[in-house]
Amino acid sequence: DIQMTQSPSSLSASVGDRVTIPCRASQNIRNYLNWYQRKPGTAPKLLIYSASTLQGGVPSRFRGTGSGTDFTLTITSLHPEDFATYYCQQYYSSLPTFGGGTKVEI
Amino acid sequence: QVQLKESGPGLVKPSETLSLTCTVSGGSMDSSYWNWIRQSPEKGLEWIGYVFYAGSTNYNPSLKSRVSISIDRSKNLFSLKLNSMTAADTAFYYCARANNSSPRLYVDWGQGTLVTVSS
Repeated sequence: DIQMTQSPSSLSASVGDRVTIPCRASQNIRNYLNWYQRKPGTAPKLLIYSASTLQGGVPSRFRGTGSGTDFTLTITSLHPEDFATYYCQQYYSSLPTFGGGTKVEI
Repeated sequence: QVQLKESGPGLVKPSETLSLTCTVSGGSMDSSYWNWIRQSPEKGLEWIGYVFYAGSTNYNPSLKSRVSISIDRSKNLFSLKLNSMTAADTAFYYCARANNSSPRLYVDWGQGTLVTVSS
């Protein structure tokens, strides 16, 4: 199985901050990477697919970069509604796997 | 946008079978892959498997011997059965939809339902 590592598991930030969330794959996954946002009590939301393509309706302050084994989700200016947990997921393998998540806290 | 909602028992006894249903509204079940994904503190997010709208299935090898996913398009729902439940199966269970063109891209999710395994 391809292991997806997200570290740190949490980070503190303030409204207006630029936030970067890393994700590392245990092997080359090219650009087969998605990012999701999850808030407590709500359905997870797809933010970015194919490492850098913004899902429709997602604000442009969310950006995805990277390929191979190292990826980054960047929130260019943190809004109050962005405090949530973010997960990466690879789909290079027929067995999709997720990172452990990074919680963005105030 | 398609809405999904999980339903089923919140408590299951060890060795019993979990049965969950995902009801789909706001769209057709055609041309999509219908997935179950779970999340526990120990294992994080784990893909369980999918049923394609036409009925074919694919499961996580680690769960394949215990899992069954089926679809009832006439009722706009699909279901998960996981047998021989243990405490390790305690988790939030989510249903999710993936498009025909990208079966491992989960575009719509339910809110999730907590399943606890305990006697």
